[in-house]
Amino acid sequence: QLQLQESGPGLVRPSETLSLTCTASGGSISSSSYSWGWIRQPPGKELEWIGSLFNSGSTYYNPSLKSRVTFSVDTSKNQFSLNLSSVTAADTAVYFCAHYSRSSNWFDPWGQGTLVTVSS
Amino acid sequence: DIQMTQSPSSVSASVGDRVTITCRASQDIDNWLVWYQQEPGKVPKLLIFGASTLQSGVPSRFSGSGSGTDFTLTISGLQPEDFATYYCQQANRFPLTFGGGTRVEIK
Repeated sequence: QLQLQESGPGLVRPSETLSLTCTASGGSISSSSYSWGWIRQPPGKELEWIGSLFNSGSTYYNPSLKSRVTFSVDTSKNQFSLNLSSVTAADTAVYFCAHYSRSSNWFDPWGQGTLVTVSS
Repeated sequence: DIQMTQSPSSVSASVGDRVTITCRASQDIDNWLVWYQQEPGKVPKLLIFGASTLQSGVPSRFSGSGSGTDFTLTISGLQPEDFATYYCQQANRFPLTFGGGTRVEIK
């Protein structure tokens, strides 16, 4: 059974880069069956799609974040990563990684989520 | 971007009640609509995709309907574990967008 776990700093200073990693177990990141996504949820607010990483290597980012977001994959560690540059307090949120269904555009399962606070 | 509007934002109900949640898209999304359940302190869980297809393992008391711009999630016979927040998500085009959520509370 596929399981995902986010990791990374819980506190990032304004203007710096937020870096998170999602480690998969129970399945291979490089499998042609899998695509991946990142979603975030600011405290008390709704979910926001950050972007999706297709098994082909293609990436699709939310235009609202596109200039600051980069996804990457490390197949040797069975991990994929999110980098978000030039963060502000508005980027404070719980960040989730998830398996993404390319054919139906849904996310399941999700990682446990990790709270990242942007503050000096 | 396609805006997703859920109503109500919260609803109080009792065990055994029938609850209906509405999700409206700002543009026609055909049946590209997904529903998630998020229990307090837990991660979102996929309930329904394609507007009406139940994800494997989801109890049959959950059902979804709709097409175009108007969709509903119905819980027939509310159970204690159903008290949670429900989100819709349009899956028609990027950027994927979510509704604001509907919190189902115990009356």
